[in-house]
Amino acid sequence: DAKTTQPPSMDCAEGRAANLPCNHSTISGNEYVYWYRQIHSQGPQYIIHGLKNNETNEMASLIITEDRKSSTLILPHATLRDTAVYYCIVREYSGYALNFGKGTSLLVTP
Amino acid sequence: SAVISQKPSRDICQRGTSLTIQCQVDSQVTMMFWYRQQPGQSLTLIATANQGSEATYESGFVIDKFPISRPNLTFSTLTVSNLSPEDSSIYLCSVGGQGPGQPQHFGDGTRLSIL
Repeated sequence: DAKTTQPPSMDCAEGRAANLPCNHSTISGNEYVYWYRQIHSQGPQYIIHGLKNNETNEMASLIITEDRKSSTLILPHATLRDTAVYYCIVREYSGYALNFGKGTSLLVTP
Repeated sequence: SAVISQKPSRDICQRGTSLTIQCQVDSQVTMMFWYRQQPGQSLTLIATANQGSEATYESGFVIDKFPISRPNLTFSTLTVSNLSPEDSSIYLCSVGGQGPGQPQHFGDGTRLSIL
């Protein structure tokens, strides 16, 4: 599975959009991009995933560049409860395990 | 998504003893996974557990230290044997993720501390 690079930490004001970048320049054609988050003392929570097209669900939007070498997770209106570590993971479609990197620690401030 | 329950949620154990962690899912799943999260670190996969076959362990993890059972499609256990302070971690069970694009879902983990 391709390696991902994320900034170690980010801040965001409550109510503003949080844009979390992820670089996956070695991604191959059959690899999906997944985003999870881990709030302190809880298990990772699935947020969203995509292959080529941009995706949106009730939690977030995922924007994947046309060359698929990077993506951005967007939390449209961040709340204090969105403070967590966010993991961007690339996994082959037929693969199983998730390789977690260090992620981005997002702090949402009042 | 599946509801995953882990027991115990936390425990404090003596050195040299063992702890068995249970993972119960509210639906039948083919594949279950066990991860470890050491203090301040990210998650590391220990093994993949398929029903009816031996678990597949990742590099650095061995069956003698982390025996796994998978008796049916809704249940699995992970035992951490001969506990030492280095085993103090959160142990997490996850399910799903099989097939094109399907995400995995996680339990809330078992927080283990060794005295």
